Order: sequence, then structure tokens, then C-alpha cells
Amino acid sequence: NAGVMQNPRHLVRRRGQEARLRCSPMKGHSHVYWYRQLPEEGLKFMVYLQKENIIDESGMPKERFSAEFPKEGPSILRIQQVVRGDSAAYFCASSAPGEDPLKSFFGQGTRLTVV
Amino acid sequence: GQNIDQPTEMTATEGAIVQINCTYQTSGFNGLFWYQQHAGEAPTFLSYNVLDGLEEKGRFSSFLSRSKGYSYLLLKELQMKDSASYLCAVRDRNDYKLSFGAGTTVTVRA
Repeated sequence: NAGVMQNPRHLVRRRGQEARLRCSPMKGHSHVYWYRQLPEEGLKFMVYLQKENIIDESGMPKERFSAEFPKEGPSILRIQQVVRGDSAAYFCASSAPGEDPLKSFFGQGTRLTVV
Repeated sequence: GQNIDQPTEMTATEGAIVQINCTYQTSGFNGLFWYQQHAGEAPTFLSYNVLDGLEEKGRFSSFLSRSKGYSYLLLKELQMKDSASYLCAVRDRNDYKLSFGAGTTVTVRA
């Protein structure tokens, strides 16, 4: 019974490159949440998606960041033209419809380092 | 907006008790959560309070006072494996969005 799977666990990108972070929710879960954890700071909500729908992206930076959760396949968080300030741990959590979304399960995270 | 404060670090001895305080000022409130996060790992759910009072779960207890905007997490009979960061988080009126404090790093010493 696999949990929330994120890959890669570690990602290094040069400034200006694109970063793609993937999140496969737990089996039966159709709701995905992305959080970002900057060094020495708390997790901050970025975006909440259901299959093929963005429900709330109020925590996403207005430029360079986008997220999707297609009908098939994992959820993708894309960061274009990365800058050093994007270096952080990105966590994905998932939940099933009708369940308390905040007792949802987090993935192991992707640690992005921009050099 | 949300403002959530907790101490940065705490140290305690194996077998002892540690209390981690969390104060919050939020525009809306719909529950307070505590998570445990080991270095390099995912946060794991510990407890949830939405009404005033104490919730006990084994060696872990969490308390909430909504009028004071205050919660604490109590860890009893500390073990070395309890060394981790403990995150206080408040849910706003929506069902899904959490605002996290920066976390309290607890170090348990032999």
C-alpha cells in the first residue's frame, strides 16, 4: 500500500532552467495539495488540485510557477526559469473525497537546489 | 492573514517531559494541528484540536484555548526517536488550507 510518492527526491538545476516535480497520490486519492518549505521557515500552502481542476492556487507565485493534475498520471509542479530563491523542499499531500483533507498524507518531498 | 509562533529549539533529557507552546493570530479558525517532521522526511500527523481542552493520545497530548489563541503539545516519557521538528498549523475557514509555524526542533539527550 504505497503512500504518496514524489520524485525526484533531490533535484539540482542551474539558474534559468526548468524544474518539474512529480507527485503520485495514494491509491484512491483524487485531491492533491502542494506545499513549499523554505530553509528555516514553515510549510506554506501553494495549490490545491483535483483531477483536471485547479481548485485554489492562491499560494502560487504569480509568475514562473504552474501546476496540473491530469486525468491520468501524476500531479506536476513546474517551475520555469528557476532562481536561487526557489531552492526549497516541495511537499505534496493527498486525500480522498469526503475525508478530512488535513489528516492527509504527505510525500517525502522533493528538495530543489538551484545553483 | 495568519501569524503562528512557536519556539525555535528545545532540549530535554530522555524520560523527561517537554511542552511546546504555539500561539496564533488568524483571520479565521477551523482547527489546530500538530505534525512531527524528522530531518529530511515528510511531516506526519500527530493531533488535531478544534474545541477547547486537552486531547490525549498515548505519550502525546495537545491542548487548545481558542480565546487565548494558544495551544501546546506535551511529549511525555521522551525517547531518543522523539528528536524531530514539531510543527503547529492552523486551518482557516476553508477545509483544506493550513498555515504552519516555523517548527520547534526538539533534541532529546541521553
